[in-house]
Amino acid sequence: DGGITQSPKYLFRKEGQNVTLSCEQNLNHDAMYWYRQDPGQGLRLIYYSQIVNDFQKGDIAEGYSVSREKKESFPLTVTSAQKNPTAFYLCASSIWGTENEQFFGPGTRLTVL
Amino acid sequence: GENVEQHPSTLSVQEGDSAVIKCTYSDSASNYFPWYKQELGKGPQLIIDIRSNVGEKKDQRIAVTLNKTAKHFSLHITETQPEDSAVYFCAASILDSWGKLQFGAGTQVVVTP
Repeated sequence: DGGITQSPKYLFRKEGQNVTLSCEQNLNHDAMYWYRQDPGQGLRLIYYSQIVNDFQKGDIAEGYSVSREKKESFPLTVTSAQKNPTAFYLCASSIWGTENEQFFGPGTRLTVL
Repeated sequence: GENVEQHPSTLSVQEGDSAVIKCTYSDSASNYFPWYKQELGKGPQLIIDIRSNVGEKKDQRIAVTLNKTAKHFSLHITETQPEDSAVYFCAASILDSWGKLQFGAGTQVVVTP
């Protein structure tokens, strides 16, 4: 069953702790993306990666880090430097190109206490 | 950079009526305009898209129109059903940003029986 998975669905962390969100895809897509979703603000791009071992900052990269060691995996770390980390995080993947559908995972809701 | 504005933010319609969501974009170089539907607690899913060389596209009860001169595009849902209730996002692809989508803020559509 092909698709994109994110885990966990809900995540709670104490303020000041780093936390890593998982994203895996078996669609053989080259490109992967991380978005943050807040109420009334749509989806904002955090980081994206076009190929393995390469990634680019999006519009709101401060306080986040990523890695792309495998084509299938694109984990996102929310660091203690992120001032307002509580949000819904969405991972997506697509075939290389500007006009290709992005497939989204089910999301991870992170709550920092 | 590209800026996408979406209206209205909420839309309540009676079952069987039509719903229209409008988006405007700022970058005349954008050439790909997808629409995503997000159900509660899930990731967005592509429902229809249009490219800049096409003025209108239809898929059963949904249609999208594009006015390149005015830089706006719209989603039309006819004969609405309760399962159409969701958040809808428009997006625009920046031509030189390889797969990078700029999303609107979203429209919460509620279809009442």
